[in-house]
Amino acid sequence: EPEVTQTPSHQVTQMGQEVILRCVPISNHLYFYWYRQILGQKVEFLVSFYNNEISEKSEIFDDQFSVERPDGSNFTLKIRSTKLEDSAMYFCASSDQGIDEKLLFGSGTQLSVL
Amino acid sequence: AQSVTQLDSHVSVSEGTPVLLRCNYSSSYSPSLFWYVQHPNKGLQLLLKYTSAATLVKGINGFEAEFKKSETSFHLTKPSAHMSDAAEYFCVVSDWSDRWGAQKLVFGQGTRLTINP
Repeated sequence: EPEVTQTPSHQVTQMGQEVILRCVPISNHLYFYWYRQILGQKVEFLVSFYNNEISEKSEIFDDQFSVERPDGSNFTLKIRSTKLEDSAMYFCASSDQGIDEKLLFGSGTQLSVL
Repeated sequence: AQSVTQLDSHVSVSEGTPVLLRCNYSSSYSPSLFWYVQHPNKGLQLLLKYTSAATLVKGINGFEAEFKKSETSFHLTKPSAHMSDAAEYFCVVSDWSDRWGAQKLVFGQGTRLTINP
């Protein structure tokens, strides 16, 4: 089965630095998502992306966050100025349809902000 | 807003015995429900989904779940546990987006399943 690929698997950064988390979704999928899981907490929705624009975002997804699909294959999440509380596992997901279809998740990027 | 509650944070069973992971949901309309599994250092893998067809849903690796509207439950079961089933399991409900028909998933807090030899 095709896979969603995320790189890097683990990223360490200093507080205040910019980070970009990268994802390669399934090639024929149209909907793209970022989720995150802070250690010991629930997996939380961050943002969904369709037709080259954000379709929905959570209250977590403030002005420090942005997403982009720069070249038709990659899907990136940028955090402009990282905070300690951004430390989490970030999951990328994609699906070929919107409602009720299964999301395929990547294996995640563990972001550690020091 | 949709939500799910997983009633056990940790379940421990012996290999070969049945598995029951409990989940209750709250939804203002007929929900779509999923179970995902996360093995250590792996991504989230879909086990099964319910989308208003048959109330008993069969998934991968011998797992199944039954949608019970009267009890607002969607418990996950397996007749006989295997060592490879040890993982974190998430009950998930789908919530609608206002635009483009995209969905967002609302996760339960997870149940860690331990299998004893």
